[in-house]
Amino acid sequence: DVVMTQSPFSLPVTLGQPASISCRSSQSLVHSDGNTYLNWFQQRPGQSPRRLIYKVSNRDSGVPDRFSGSGSGTDFTLKISRVEAEDVGVYYCMQATHWPWTFGQGTKVEIK
Amino acid sequence: EVQLVESGGGLVQPGGSLRLSCAASGFTFSTSWMSWVRHVPGKGLEWVANIKEDGSETYYVDSMKGRYIISRDNAKNSLYLQMNSLRTEDTAVYYCITMSRGAMWCYWGQGTLVAVSS
Repeated sequence: DVVMTQSPFSLPVTLGQPASISCRSSQSLVHSDGNTYLNWFQQRPGQSPRRLIYKVSNRDSGVPDRFSGSGSGTDFTLKISRVEAEDVGVYYCMQATHWPWTFGQGTKVEIK
Repeated sequence: EVQLVESGGGLVQPGGSLRLSCAASGFTFSTSWMSWVRHVPGKGLEWVANIKEDGSETYYVDSMKGRYIISRDNAKNSLYLQMNSLRTEDTAVYYCITMSRGAMWCYWGQGTLVAVSS
C-alpha cells in the first residue's frame, strides 16, 4: 500500500499568518492516465471531512482561495495564505492513484 | 442539494454483524461511484470500499476483504455496507461518500458510529 506521511503532526499558527503542511508518498502518485490524484481534506471539530483540493492543485467548490495545493511525484504541499479561525481542524492528504486509496495520518491546525 | 444520510450503526459484540445504509438524494445516484470511509477514534481516516455505478465492480481494503460487502440499489438510491465478523478494531465512524477523483465533486454524509465491544 502507498504510505502517505504528513508533517508536521501539529501546527500552531497565528491568525492572519501563513501555514504549510507537507505530504510525502512512498511511491509516485502519477497515474497511468497522466493525472496525479492527490487530494487534501479538512475535518473541522465535530464535522464530516470536506475535500479542499483534488489533483494536486484544484480547489473544490466553495473553497476559499487562501487554500492552495502544489507538488508533484511524491512531494506535495497544502498552503493557507492567511489562517482564519474557521481553519482550525485536522488536515489530511489522500492519494487516489493506487488502490487501496490511502490517507496521511493528519495534521492538527490550531490557533496559538 | 446533495444529501447522504447514513443509518444502521450501533453497538455490536465481536464476531457480530451489522448492515449500514446510506440514502442518497440531490444527484443522479445511478451514474455515481460510491464509497465508504471510516474514522477510527484517535486515529485517522481509512478508505473502506468503492463500488461502480452499476455495482459491477467493487474494491476493498485488504483488512476488510472477505468480511465486508459493499452493494447498492439504484432503484432506491441507496448504498449499503454489510459488515461481518466484526472486530474491536472496526470501531469507527463510517461515512458514505460520493467523489470524483478527477473533478469538482465530493460529498460526505454525517457518518454513523459503529462500536464493537463485549
